[in-house]
Amino acid sequence: QVQVVQSGAEMKRPGASVKVSCKISGYTFTDLSIHWVRQAPGKGLEWMGGFDAEDGEIINAQRFPGRVTLTQDTSTDTAYMYLSSLRSEDTAIYYCTTDGFYAWGQGTLVIVSS
Amino acid sequence: EIVLTQSPGTLSLSPGERATLSCRASQSITSSSLAWYQQKPGQAPRLLMYDASSRATGIADRFSGSGSGTDFTLTIRRLEPEDFAVYYCQQYGSFPLTFGGGTKVEI
Repeated sequence: QVQVVQSGAEMKRPGASVKVSCKISGYTFTDLSIHWVRQAPGKGLEWMGGFDAEDGEIINAQRFPGRVTLTQDTSTDTAYMYLSSLRSEDTAIYYCTTDGFYAWGQGTLVIVSS
Repeated sequence: EIVLTQSPGTLSLSPGERATLSCRASQSITSSSLAWYQQKPGQAPRLLMYDASSRATGIADRFSGSGSGTDFTLTIRRLEPEDFAVYYCQQYGSFPLTFGGGTKVEI
């Protein structure tokens, strides 16, 4: 059974960057597609991007032009989401999910405030 | 981008009643690549249905999904107290993946 554990909450100033990690266990990491979804307070779910294991491509949502970088470290079975030029609207819980969106991390709260 | 519109926004029902949630897409979804999620306060979403009508592992059979093309439905046959939550649809047939705005099922 796939298990997903994310890094802890972060508080950042506007203009800064944040890197959220997502540790996968219980499955062959390289066989998994990993996606990132965020949820602003009291709002719905928003897909940010993901790594497609089938074709080895990373696909980012267009609404974050140049701000989102998704990477993976196969030596530690960990995926990372890096979001730059933070603004207050980026305050949200950030989730990583895998195994066909069946397995989800616990979420990482990122607060952007001056 | 495929826009998903969920209705109603809020559904007020009682335990034992039937819930019918709608998800309409702005264009046809490839291969019925539509999922439904349940989310409770303070929790991550939980996958309920995929491919429009297939239940995810461990999901009770009172949950069912139907539809194709642009119109999809999630039905909860007889609401249990633990079913009161927010439900989201999601299409994964084309990038960018998109979610609907959610339907809150409340008592």
